[in-house]
Amino acid sequence: QEQLVQSGAEVKKPGASVKVSCKASGYSFINYDINWVRQATGQGLEWLGWLNPNSGNTGYAQNFQGRVTMTRDTSIATVYMELSSLTSGDTAVYYCARGLGCTSPTCLIRYYYMDVWGTGTTVTVS
Amino acid sequence: QSVLAQPPSASATPGQTVTISCSGASYNIGSSYVYWYQHLPGTAPKLLIYRNDQRPSGVPDRFSGSKSGTSASLAISGLRSEDEADYYCATWEDSLIVLGGGTKLTVL
Repeated sequence: QEQLVQSGAEVKKPGASVKVSCKASGYSFINYDINWVRQATGQGLEWLGWLNPNSGNTGYAQNFQGRVTMTRDTSIATVYMELSSLTSGDTAVYYCARGLGCTSPTCLIRYYYMDVWGTGTTVTVS
Repeated sequence: QSVLAQPPSASATPGQTVTISCSGASYNIGSSYVYWYQHLPGTAPKLLIYRNDQRPSGVPDRFSGSKSGTSASLAISGLRSEDEADYYCATWEDSLIVLGGGTKLTVL
C-alpha cells in the first residue's frame, strides 16, 4: 500500500540546519507531489511547502521562504526537506504528505490536498 | 494566526453529535473544496473528508462534511471515545495550502 517513511529524530543546536527525508513506496513516486507540514508542541499544523518529484519544482509558504529547501532523488523515491537557521521555535514534529489536485488555471475548480501522510520526524532544537 | 477560523475546542458526551465549523473567504473556501483531517496524539494526521463531503474508504459514515459559501462544517454523530482528537480543515488558496488552527475535541 502507499507509504511514506521518514528519517529518525534529530537534535540540533540553534543556528544549525536539519535535513529530513521521506521515502515513498507503493505508488508511482513521480506522479504525486510531496508536501511538508509541522506541528510544534501545543500548536496546530503548519504547512511548509510542496515539491513536484517529476519536475523538481517547489512552492514554499511565505513564512519559510529563504530558510527551507526541498529536493528529491528520483532513483530512490525520496524527498528531502532542509530547514536552516534553526531556533527553538522550530522544535516540532515534521510530516511529509502526498499531495494531489488540479491547480491549473484551466481547472473548473482549482483544488489541492494531502492524502497519505508520513510517519513523522521529531526535530528538537536545543 | 491561521487563515481558516476554527473554534479551539469542542466537547460532547458519547452518542451525541458534535459539529465543528471552519470559516474562510471567497478566495479560499469560497472557490475550492474543503478537506478535514483527524490528528490523534502520537500519530500522523489522517484524511477524514475530501471534496467537502466525501469520505475516503474506511472512514465511518458517522463523519460527514458540508460546505456553504465561505464556511464548512464537520459533523460527528454517535460520538465515541476514540473520536477524541484534533480536527483541522484545509483548502487551497493561490498556490498554497491553508489550514485552520485546529479544534480539540473532548469526549466527556
